[in-house]
Amino acid sequence: AQSVTQLDSQVPVFEEAPVELRCNYSSSVSVYLFWYVQYPNQGLQLLLKYLSGSTLVKGINGFEAEFNKSQTSFHLRKPSVHISDTAEYFCAVSLKAAGNKLTFGGGTRVLVKP
Amino acid sequence: SAVISQKPSRDICQRGTSLTIQCQVDSQVTMMFWYRQQPGQSLTLIATANQGSEATYESGFVIDKFPISRPNLTFSTLTVSNMSPEDSSIYLCSVVGGQDGPRGAYEQYFGPGTRLTVT
Repeated sequence: AQSVTQLDSQVPVFEEAPVELRCNYSSSVSVYLFWYVQYPNQGLQLLLKYLSGSTLVKGINGFEAEFNKSQTSFHLRKPSVHISDTAEYFCAVSLKAAGNKLTFGGGTRVLVKP
Repeated sequence: SAVISQKPSRDICQRGTSLTIQCQVDSQVTMMFWYRQQPGQSLTLIATANQGSEATYESGFVIDKFPISRPNLTFSTLTVSNMSPEDSSIYLCSVVGGQDGPRGAYEQYFGPGTRLTVT
């Protein structure tokens, strides 16, 4: 079975500073990878996804992530954060052969300080 | 992307009662799922809602506790039965396979969630 580990439960960061959220997964088969964001008291919104092809994936709101197969990682980055990026971020994987069922990491809470 | 609505958005219920949550999608979708997000935690898949047949439950979840219906390709319900305080969570439905074709078939969109508090 696959699993997802988000190494940081909370990441405080100052406005306009860069941020990196770490995500590692374990799976014996090929996976699809996703990052979702959950703003306070809201549902989940898809930030970006990796299905195949280029390992550098660009998403909405200036976020990007890089798939590293050898390190089984899919870290999320943004070069300059805004106050509005304060939210919970979830990394998720689904198996190519398992019908889109998502396995989520524990989440990383990003708090952007002025 | 698909537009998903859930009813109710929140509720406070007494233990021992049941609550049915509705999920409505603005387009026909192939796959629908129900997730639970316990306070301060991540999301856990409860079941896959299958159109015209019984739902497929994940380990730790059973039909008697979480009966699911999916009468058509745009609607599903999840019932939380015989509730206890441990059932206090956000329940979210999600869909796959909207109007984006093959690319969209791999993207999963989530409803706004139903925040349930059991007293």
